[in-house]
Amino acid sequence: AQKITQTQPGMFVQEKEAVTLDCTYDTSDPSYGLFWYKQPSSGEMIFLIYQGSYDQQNATEGRYSLNFQKARKSANLVISASQLGDSAMYFCAIVRDDKIIFGKGTRLHILP
Amino acid sequence: NAGVTQTPKFQVLKTGQSMTLQCAQDMNHEYMSWYRQDPGMGLRLIHYSVGAGITDQGEVPNGYNVSRSTTEDFPLRLLSAAPSQTSVYFCASSYGDRGDTDTQYFGPGTRLTVL
Repeated sequence: AQKITQTQPGMFVQEKEAVTLDCTYDTSDPSYGLFWYKQPSSGEMIFLIYQGSYDQQNATEGRYSLNFQKARKSANLVISASQLGDSAMYFCAIVRDDKIIFGKGTRLHILP
Repeated sequence: NAGVTQTPKFQVLKTGQSMTLQCAQDMNHEYMSWYRQDPGMGLRLIHYSVGAGITDQGEVPNGYNVSRSTTEDFPLRLLSAAPSQTSVYFCASSYGDRGDTDTQYFGPGTRLTVL
């Protein structure tokens, strides 16, 4: 069974600094996908970025990039030039076959 | 498009009562799923469906039933509510293919309290 781990329950970062949120996964399937979602205090789930296991390049979406290290089974989210609005819960998720499994999340606090 | 809608937004039940959480999407998505979110536990998959007439269990299916008679609707039934089912419930949908089309679109959530 696949498993996904986010080891940082909480992080405090100064505004404008870059942030790296850790995510490791465990799957024996060669074909899978990895997502990151943001959940602000309002509660909605917002899709940020996707990386497929066969994608050769790391995914990027604006200020978000995914540091994908397949051999280490790591898919860290990097947020460049953090903003106060980035304060939220962040979830990593893995999709394999038809099941999507989420990590427990990291709460990010951006300090002014 | 309304996207993914969930009703009700809030619900309080007594132990043993039954109810159905409604979920609908208007994006013609094949894949729909239900999650529960508890503090410190992230989102846990309850049930999912890859198309009308097809459902399967996720990580925490006990105490919940689902059916998928149409592409648009995916209701979640609690047959006999228990306090352990107090949670926020999210419904999500996606095209169900590989790649970016697997992006899950989430509903706004239903906050359920079981007394």
